[in-house]
Amino acid sequence: GAGVSQTPSNKVTEKGKYVELRCDPISGHTALYWYRQSLGQGPEFLIYFQGTGAADDSGLPNDRFFAVRPEGSVSTLKIQRTERGDSAMYLCASSPTGIHEQFFGPGTRLTVL
Amino acid sequence: GESVGLHLPTLSVQEGDNSIINCAYSNSASDYFIWYKQESGKGPQFIIDIRSNMDKRQGQRVTVLLNKTVKHLSLQIAATQPGDSAVYFCAENINAGGTSYGKLTFGQGTILTVHP
Repeated sequence: GAGVSQTPSNKVTEKGKYVELRCDPISGHTALYWYRQSLGQGPEFLIYFQGTGAADDSGLPNDRFFAVRPEGSVSTLKIQRTERGDSAMYLCASSPTGIHEQFFGPGTRLTVL
Repeated sequence: GESVGLHLPTLSVQEGDNSIINCAYSNSASDYFIWYKQESGKGPQFIIDIRSNMDKRQGQRVTVLLNKTVKHLSLQIAATQPGDSAVYFCAENINAGGTSYGKLTFGQGTILTVHP
């Protein structure tokens, strides 16, 4: 079956611009996570959705970052006024219920020039 | 702060050898651990998991050992193959307030290189 998909695979933007990153989880998975991974590091938790609601957004670095999941399926991570330090791989994962293994997508490589 | 860490950042082995990748964790409230494999340009791929009420779990060619006394986790890969070359991450899930959901804390990772 289809796994987690993320679009775009690569995004290059200029400092100060707004970007949206999309995640399509595995069908039927109620839990969705966003992580950010810098080069040479492990993924770092950003936000967790259970259904449509953000159950834990404690990992979002500041108020420039926001994520939504309006229908409990697709999620969009939104970054306003991008900064060069936002450059990283943004990973999305989904899980059947939230307490089982997470299945990761291929990620979106964001580069802020 | 509380974190998951790895003892060895790189590991080189010959094809056919067994590999052991180690991981230390510091949070005694962690109740679930996962090993992921990540190849270049791809997302992490689930390998095996273990819950804190277990000491050992086996999969296909892989075994995870959990020593809660010293807060140590290891991944053993039997008969390592060139296709096993990747970065391996351990991750922990902290059971906060009795509600265990999958917020994971990852370690830095170990680069495994398998030589033919």
